[in-house]
Amino acid sequence: RKEVEQDPGPFNVPEGATVAFNCTYSNSASQSFFWYRQDCRKEPKLLMSVYSSGNEDGRFTAQLNRASQYISLLIRDSKLSDSATYLCVVTPSGGYNKLIFGAGTRLAVHP
Amino acid sequence: DTAVSQTPKYLVTQMGNDKSIKCEQNLGHDTMYWYKQDSKKFLKIMFSYNNKELIINETVPNRFSPKSPDKAHLNLHINSLELGDSAVYFCASSQQLGQADGYTFGSGTRLTVV
Repeated sequence: RKEVEQDPGPFNVPEGATVAFNCTYSNSASQSFFWYRQDCRKEPKLLMSVYSSGNEDGRFTAQLNRASQYISLLIRDSKLSDSATYLCVVTPSGGYNKLIFGAGTRLAVHP
Repeated sequence: DTAVSQTPKYLVTQMGNDKSIKCEQNLGHDTMYWYKQDSKKFLKIMFSYNNKELIINETVPNRFSPKSPDKAHLNLHINSLELGDSAVYFCASSQQLGQADGYTFGSGTRLTVV
């Protein structure tokens, strides 16, 4: 079983749509959680950290459910510029801050 | 000024060759990493160095040898290249060990072995 699993997509949505991505992780002792964004042929960039209480950054909302080992990302009012691959990332406990990536979910926003 | 810079950006080489990828960061970070992104797009850690000391070696074949001459540089040398080594290699840095939310990635080196 992969350590971090995501639906690969692609998700094809019109501008203005709301889209949700889900992610599950296998190690219950995982310590930190993130969503990264990777544009085609570019490096991954941190989108947001994910906290147990849930957190929001503009149109983006992230949720963490430690009991279910489940992380989500909600994007409201999608823009063309949101088209990218969204990577769910966890760090293991005592893991010297190595990042464990999911394979990513591809989002394509169309006019 | 690029924060984490890798060279070369593209590398095409024949099987059996030896090649190096260089990485430099000007952020004053203590910790540097090499990650590999294969054809299935999985990003996976290979190595981590903290202040020139090897911290993580993630069961990478010993044909791969990282070298950190100082904390601003982490190079990756690959011997006897194989077709399966074709991937994008990303260098990254973070301010200190244990700080997972402060990563900065380089723009990647696309290695193609023919």
